[in-house]
Amino acid sequence: EPEVTQTPSHQVTQMGQEVILRCVPISNHLYFYWYRQILGQKVEFLVSFYNNEISEKSEIFDDQFSVERPDGSNFTLKIRSTKLEDSAMYFCASKRDSRGYEKLFFGSGTQLSVL
Amino acid sequence: AQSVTQPDIHITVSEGASLELRCNYSYGATPYLFWYVQSPGQGLQLLLKYFSGDTLVQGIKGFEAEFKRSQSSFNLRKPSVHWSDAAEYFCAVGRDSGTYKYIFGTGTRLKVLA
Repeated sequence: EPEVTQTPSHQVTQMGQEVILRCVPISNHLYFYWYRQILGQKVEFLVSFYNNEISEKSEIFDDQFSVERPDGSNFTLKIRSTKLEDSAMYFCASKRDSRGYEKLFFGSGTQLSVL
Repeated sequence: AQSVTQPDIHITVSEGASLELRCNYSYGATPYLFWYVQSPGQGLQLLLKYFSGDTLVQGIKGFEAEFKRSQSSFNLRKPSVHWSDAAEYFCAVGRDSGTYKYIFGTGTRLKVLA
């Protein structure tokens, strides 16, 4: 089965630093997502991306966050100035089309630790 | 607003015993319902999904789930649990829209005793 690839698997950073989390979605997919999971909590939607623009974003996705698909294969999440509460597992996901019942393919996640 | 409730945070069962994980949802229309499993250090893997038709759906690894509209439930079942089923299980509800985000429950952590 095709896979969504995320790098790095672990990222440690100091508070206030910028981080970029990288994802390579499945090649023929058109919809891209970032979710995060704070330890012990549920998986939360951050943002969806389609046709080179943000389709929807949650309240969590404030001005400190941005996403980009710079080269047609990578999909990145940037946190401009990290806070302690940004520590979480970040999952990238992709989907082939817009049909509601099509499944999301998730990557194995990047564990971000902000010190 | 959409929501998903998984009332059991932790469940412990013995290997070979049956399993049922509960999921209740709140949604104004016919939902798309999913169960995902997350093994330690792994991403989210789809076990099964429901969007229409037969209310009993079969998934991978011997799991099944039954959609009960009257109870707003989508409980996950397995007749005989294996030690490798120890993981965290997430129920999710989705909608039919262009962006199609999922709403996840808080998860149920399954422990399997040998």
